[in-house]
Amino acid sequence: DIQMTQSPASLSASLGETVTIQCQASEDIYSGLAWYQQKPGKSPQLLIYGASSLQDGVPSRFSGSGSGTQYSLKISSMQTEDEGVYFCQQGLKYPLTFGSGTKLEIK
Amino acid sequence: EVQLVESGGGLVQPGRSMKLSCAASGFTFNNYDMAWVCQAPKKGLEWVATISYDGSSTYYRDSVKGRFTISRDNAKSTLYLQMDSLRSEDTATYYCARFALIAANYWGQGVMVTVSS
Repeated sequence: DIQMTQSPASLSASLGETVTIQCQASEDIYSGLAWYQQKPGKSPQLLIYGASSLQDGVPSRFSGSGSGTQYSLKISSMQTEDEGVYFCQQGLKYPLTFGSGTKLEIK
Repeated sequence: EVQLVESGGGLVQPGRSMKLSCAASGFTFNNYDMAWVCQAPKKGLEWVATISYDGSSTYYRDSVKGRFTISRDNAKSTLYLQMDSLRSEDTATYYCARFALIAANYWGQGVMVTVSS
């Protein structure tokens, strides 16, 4: 199985700050990576697919990058509504696997 | 508007069965692979199973193989998850999700399954 190692487990950021979350795959996943945001009591929402493609309706302050085994999600200017838990997910091979999540809070 | 509405959850004893349903609307159901993803209380996301758009292929995580069955009725735009021989570790919120280009771009609201005596 492909293991997804996500870091950090939690972080706090000030309004307007740039935030970066990392995800490392245990093998090359050829950009088969997605990022999700989950708010308390809600379903996950897709932010990024194919490592860097922005899902329709997602604010442009969110961006994804990376290749091979290393990927990152960047929020260019932290907003209050960005609080939540972020997960990466590889879609290259079954079983599909998720990272353990990053809890993002406002400082 | 795309909608995925799960039903069928609740409390069930270990070893018993439960069947979840997911009613889809707002899109052409038989054009998309569908999946179930679960989340244990206060834990992360775990993929459970996927079924191809036409039902011809199914995939499962190892821990549910032989116990869970994913299926779909394209005429009714409905996805199912038959869960047999349930264990306490199956306790979770189960989400129905529509997949496109390796990612789940729509999710249901989730349904809670509690396995306990």
